[in-house]
Amino acid sequence: DTQMTQSPSSLSASVGDRVTITCRTSHSISSYLNWYQQKPGKAPKLLIYAASSLQSGVPSRFSGSGSGTDFTLTISSLQPEDFATYYCQQSYTTPWTFGQGTTVEIK
Amino acid sequence: QVQLVQSGAEVKKPGASVKVSCKTSGYTFNDHYLHWVRQAPGQGLEWMGWINPDNGGTKYAQKFQGGVTMTRDTSISTAYMELSSLRSDDTAVYFCARDLGGSNYHLDYWGQGSLVIVSS
Repeated sequence: DTQMTQSPSSLSASVGDRVTITCRTSHSISSYLNWYQQKPGKAPKLLIYAASSLQSGVPSRFSGSGSGTDFTLTISSLQPEDFATYYCQQSYTTPWTFGQGTTVEIK
Repeated sequence: QVQLVQSGAEVKKPGASVKVSCKTSGYTFNDHYLHWVRQAPGQGLEWMGWINPDNGGTKYAQKFQGGVTMTRDTSISTAYMELSSLRSDDTAVYFCARDLGGSNYHLDYWGQGSLVIVSS
C-alpha cells in the first residue's frame, strides 16, 4: 500500500497567515494527489485534484503543488472558515490511501 | 445539482450485518464510479472500495475483502454497501462519494455520511 505522511499533524495559525501543509508518499504517484477539507460532523470537501488543479467553487487562496512523492497544500491568507482538518489522498493505485490529517486551529 | 443522500444511523450488535444506501441524483448514475470511505470516531479517513455502477464491477481494499459487498440498483440510481460480521471497531461514519474519473481520479461529491454503531 502507498503510505501517506502529512505534516504537521496540527498547527495553530491566525487569520491572514500563510499556511503550508505537506504530504509525502512512500513511492511515486505522479500527480494523482488530491486534497480535501473536513469540518466537524461534515463530509470531506474536495479542494485540489491532480496535485494542483483547483476544484470549481474553491477560493483561489487554496493552491497545490508537487509531483512524484512530495506535495504541498498552501492557503495564502487564512480565513475564519478555513479552520478545519485537511487530508491528502492518492488515487494512483488501489487501495486509495489518505494522509492522517492536519488540523488547522485558531491561534 | 448532484446529490448523494445516504440512509440513516444504525445500531447493530457484534456479528450482525449492516447495509447502507446511497441514493444519487443530478447526474447519469452509470457514468461515475462510487466509492465508500469510512471514518471511525476521532480518526482519519479509510478507503473501503468502489463499485462501477455501469456493470456492477467492484474493487475492495484487502482489509475488507470477504466482509464487504458493494452493489447497486440502476433503476433507482442507488448504491449499497453491506458490511457483515460487525465488530466494535466497525463503529464509524460511512460515506459514499462520486469519482469524477477522467484523467485523474478524485471524489468530487460526497454523501452526508451514515453512522453505524456496533455495540452489544
